[in-house]
Amino acid sequence: DADVTQTPRNRITKTGKRIMLECSQTKGHDRMYWYRQDPGLGLRLIYYSFDVKDINKGEISDGYSVSRQAQAKFSLSLESAIPNQTALYFCATSERTGGSGANVLTFGAGSRLTVL
Amino acid sequence: QKEVEQDPGPLSVPEGAIVSLNCTYSNSAFQYFMWYRQYSRKGPELLMYTYSSGNKEDGRFTAQVDKSSKYISLFIRDSQPSDSATYLCAMGYAGGTSYGKLTFGQGTILTVHP
Repeated sequence: DADVTQTPRNRITKTGKRIMLECSQTKGHDRMYWYRQDPGLGLRLIYYSFDVKDINKGEISDGYSVSRQAQAKFSLSLESAIPNQTALYFCATSERTGGSGANVLTFGAGSRLTVL
Repeated sequence: QKEVEQDPGPLSVPEGAIVSLNCTYSNSAFQYFMWYRQYSRKGPELLMYTYSSGNKEDGRFTAQVDKSSKYISLFIRDSQPSDSATYLCAMGYAGGTSYGKLTFGQGTILTVHP
């Protein structure tokens, strides 16, 4: 089984619908992230969580919300999807290293979302 | 201006060629520099990372950092078709309030043809 599992892998929806993307991990990492990938724009951080009670906005959080249900679960919601949210979404995890080391991310396989 | 700029390519080379992938950055506060590789329909995976200016070698891969010029490179020697992927540079902070947040380049699509 994958260390970081994302569901669904593919989703097509209509404008205005509520969508939830789910992420679970078996690595035991404290930190979890949601990124969005668009052609020509690379990976952009939507939200991140350093533990269950800590949620932080990234650079493009408008239109998104998250929930950290447990150390191993971090979900991303689009309350009212719009076409420019069509993208590939990645969940990632990392381990706290005391703030003195590189933050190495482990990514899931991605969730491709299409909003019509 | 983006904090991290990466030529998106695409880059197509013959098998056995030396490949050079590059990123420039504007934020001199970045403290470590990473390269991720992403195969089609997969998530990115870490190739290597380094903190200091200079070269770091791992097999056929060499990461080079020039902090004075705010420029990093990844060299691939004896490139193989299995190296065909998107390569993403990423940069981050080793501590402070921004610790844990990585800034990625746009990614370079590389194809190595037999």
